[in-house]
Amino acid sequence: GESVGLHLPTLSVQEGDNSIINCAYSNSASDYFIWYKQESGKGPQFIIDIRSNMDKRQGQRVTVLLNKTVKHLSLQIAATQPGDSAVYFCAETPNTGNQFYFGTGTSLTVIP
Amino acid sequence: GAGVSQSPSNKVTEKGKDVELRCDPISGHTALYWYRQRLGQGLEFLIYFQGNSAPDKSGLPSDRFSAERTGESVSTLTIQRTQQEDSAVYLCASSFLAGAYEQYFGPGTRLTVT
Repeated sequence: GESVGLHLPTLSVQEGDNSIINCAYSNSASDYFIWYKQESGKGPQFIIDIRSNMDKRQGQRVTVLLNKTVKHLSLQIAATQPGDSAVYFCAETPNTGNQFYFGTGTSLTVIP
Repeated sequence: GAGVSQSPSNKVTEKGKDVELRCDPISGHTALYWYRQRLGQGLEFLIYFQGNSAPDKSGLPSDRFSAERTGESVSTLTIQRTQQEDSAVYLCASSFLAGAYEQYFGPGTRLTVT
């Protein structure tokens, strides 16, 4: 079955430092990947996405890297701010269907 | 325009009762997804609807769970004879199309079964 997992369940970083959140997936047919941010009591919020024909995509202060060889996805947040404190989920969908599979999440805490 | 809305925001029910959760997707979004999120865990896919196609119910955990959607509008998730293990946040998301498109999430309904 599908498996989307995260290497670290919690991450603490100093304000201003860069954060890296990792995600592993098992389905080689995974075609589209999304990173979501979920603050306490709210639904997940889209951060950035990447398709399998790319290996890097940049947004505002965020970069997603995709390594299809080892089935690994990472989210890099530059100059982490207190407002970045949240749980971050990766999600993927295969080109064989329309379901999304979510990882367990990494809780990011930014220390002022 | 408005985002995805869900109601109620919180629901406390007694074991054995039926509950109905509602989701209003973003106008024009043909795909609608339901997820369950237990405390401290990731999102568990339940069901999705795409336009007028038959829904993908493969994630529903038991026959006590059902969902309906009228066209490309409101969806309701019904849980019959609720059990304590049904306690979770139920999230709804909509997207332009099913599959490789960004999903927009509602705030969720927190269900507590006592």
